[in-house]
Amino acid sequence: NAGVTQTPKFQVLKTGQSMTLQCAQDMNHNSMYWYRQDPGMGLRLIYYSASEGTTDKGEVPNGYNVSRLNKREFSLRLESAAPSQTSVYFCASSEDGSSYEQYFGPGTRLTVT
Amino acid sequence: AQSVTQPDIHITVSEGASLELRCNYSYGATPYLFWYVQSPGQGLQLLLKYFSGDTLVQGIKGFEAEFKRSQSSFNLRKPSVHWSDAAEYFCAVAPYNTNAGKSTFGDGTTLTVKP
Repeated sequence: NAGVTQTPKFQVLKTGQSMTLQCAQDMNHNSMYWYRQDPGMGLRLIYYSASEGTTDKGEVPNGYNVSRLNKREFSLRLESAAPSQTSVYFCASSEDGSSYEQYFGPGTRLTVT
Repeated sequence: AQSVTQPDIHITVSEGASLELRCNYSYGATPYLFWYVQSPGQGLQLLLKYFSGDTLVQGIKGFEAEFKRSQSSFNLRKPSVHWSDAAEYFCAVAPYNTNAGKSTFGDGTTLTVKP
């Protein structure tokens, strides 16, 4: 099992450009999440999908959109990138029910100039 | 709303010494509590979790944590640190009986291990 995979690993964008971060999991998990990690600020939830077909805003959703394409895949889109979106982005997944623990991908390091 | 505080931004210990990383949470009811570890350039990995029952929980890599309701704490401990334990450690809290997407993470503690 690959677990949670993310592409790309690194990306540099110019202000105003758009891009989509891809995430896939092969653990048959129902729930998936997108976080951003900034120095000294821990992880902040951007969006999550409790199950296929549903998405909800997290703590910092502004400037982002998500798509739960199917049970395996959950993408994050930046429509018009801003320097404030320079960060490391992590995708995670978990079973629903009583499990609660999250499995994380390796991250995407995004720089917006 | 729940919150998590990790009072120590950076801790340095000698290899073989004991370790305690502090975590305080704020939540009005029974929380679910987690410790995750992040090695450089990697995603987070779950070390251990507390849901209910015995307040001393054992995790992977020789770590343990103790839930103290009276102190709203969930401190992480290891009796003897190895150089490979150098990493960043995150405490997280999730409200009881809701989707874990509502987990709140602390800002992390960076552990440096001296030879």
